Amino acid sequence: QSALTQPRSVSGSPGQSVTISCNGSSSDVGAYNYISWYQHHPGKAPKDIICDVTKRLSGVPDRFSGSKSGSTASLTISGLRADDEADYYCSSYAGSNIYVFGTGTKVTVL
Amino acid sequence: EVQLVESGGGLVQLGGSLRLSCVASGFMFSRDWMAWVRQAPGKGLEWLAMIRGDGNERGSVDSVEGRFTISRDNAKNSLYLQMNNLRAEDTAVYYCARGWLGTFDIWGQGTMLTVSS
Repeated sequence: QSALTQPRSVSGSPGQSVTISCNGSSSDVGAYNYISWYQHHPGKAPKDIICDVTKRLSGVPDRFSGSKSGSTASLTISGLRADDEADYYCSSYAGSNIYVFGTGTKVTVL
Repeated sequence: EVQLVESGGGLVQLGGSLRLSCVASGFMFSRDWMAWVRQAPGKGLEWLAMIRGDGNERGSVDSVEGRFTISRDNAKNSLYLQMNNLRAEDTAVYYCARGWLGTFDIWGQGTMLTVSS
């Protein structure tokens, strides 16, 4: 039940694209398609933006996209905007009614 | 309005116990899996435990197994986390969240727990 590994931080200028990786194992990310991504502004409740690897939740702009290859999931934010600046977390089902979150990535808009 | 409201956090001594509560409104609470997630100061989100709508299935992370117990009272639309033998590293904001089709789609604002010596 180790946390999924994410880069500590990524940054980009407005309008650019950034990609956040989420490295797991054959027991979690590699085994299931219950991969979600959350946007978390400090002091607020986390907000789910992607579920089932690629599905955007209602109201989430198509600038956010998810993918998976093997035991690594990824979140890409295109057309970066100032209000995208937040912490982002991946999560994966790991079997036996257990989930695991990623270590979190701080996105900075330069 | 769909809402989760946590309560019960505060300052507790090392080795002490506390029960957190989460009251749900605006959705069919008894049908849904519910979970507890925490965030320690300066750290990331950590999934702790989850319970099925009827209360008959659970899952929890090894690090709290035997110390933390998740439960629910569907008549009160309430989720609980009983925490015993608290350690300094349990200091965190504790969130309740609804599990829905593999994601956690409704979150509370969190309640802060500080474990002090």
